[in-house]
Amino acid sequence: DAKTTQPTSMDCAEGRAANLPCNHSTISGNEYVYWYRQIHSQGPQYIIHGLKNNETNEMASLIITEDRKSSTLILPHATLRDTAVYYCIVRAYTGTASKLTFGTGTRLQVTL
Amino acid sequence: DAGITQSPRHKVTETGTPVTLRCHQTENHRYMYWYRQDPGHGLRLIHYSYGVKDTDKGEVSDGYSVSRSKTEDFLLTLESATSSQTSVYFCAISEGSNEKLFFGSGTQLSVL
Repeated sequence: DAKTTQPTSMDCAEGRAANLPCNHSTISGNEYVYWYRQIHSQGPQYIIHGLKNNETNEMASLIITEDRKSSTLILPHATLRDTAVYYCIVRAYTGTASKLTFGTGTRLQVTL
Repeated sequence: DAGITQSPRHKVTETGTPVTLRCHQTENHRYMYWYRQDPGHGLRLIHYSYGVKDTDKGEVSDGYSVSRSKTEDFLLTLESATSSQTSVYFCAISEGSNEKLFFGSGTQLSVL
């Protein structure tokens, strides 16, 4: 699986968009980008994933650059409840066990 | 959490004693996983299962064993607990049609 690099921490004002970057310069053509988040002491929660097209769901948007070497998770209107650690993971779909590797992620602090 | 129950939620035990953690799912998902989470390490995969009686090792399997006698239950056993196994343990499940994992609420284990 390709290695990912994320900032250790970020701050965002409530109501503003939170843009969380992830670098994955060694990504292969068949590898997807997955985002999960972990709110304090809870289990990680799936947010979104994509291959090369931009994706949007009820939680967030995922923007993947054309060369696929980086991506940005966008929370359009961050709230205090979005304070969490966000994990960017790159992995090819195997059709078998999802042995995802979680790094240390980005700690997002949303403030008033 | 998507139909995943971990028990117990908290446990304190002594070095050298056996400990079993249970994960129960109501989603009928094929794959089940045990992760541990420690400060500075993110989540690390201990063992996973791809069906009844079918299990395999993850990244940090030493000192742990698992069993899956029914689709809905995945047990993690520490045969002789050590202080280095003090951690938060998360169970996860997946269908296998993609890399989306669903996590339980975790078990806080303290080995004194």
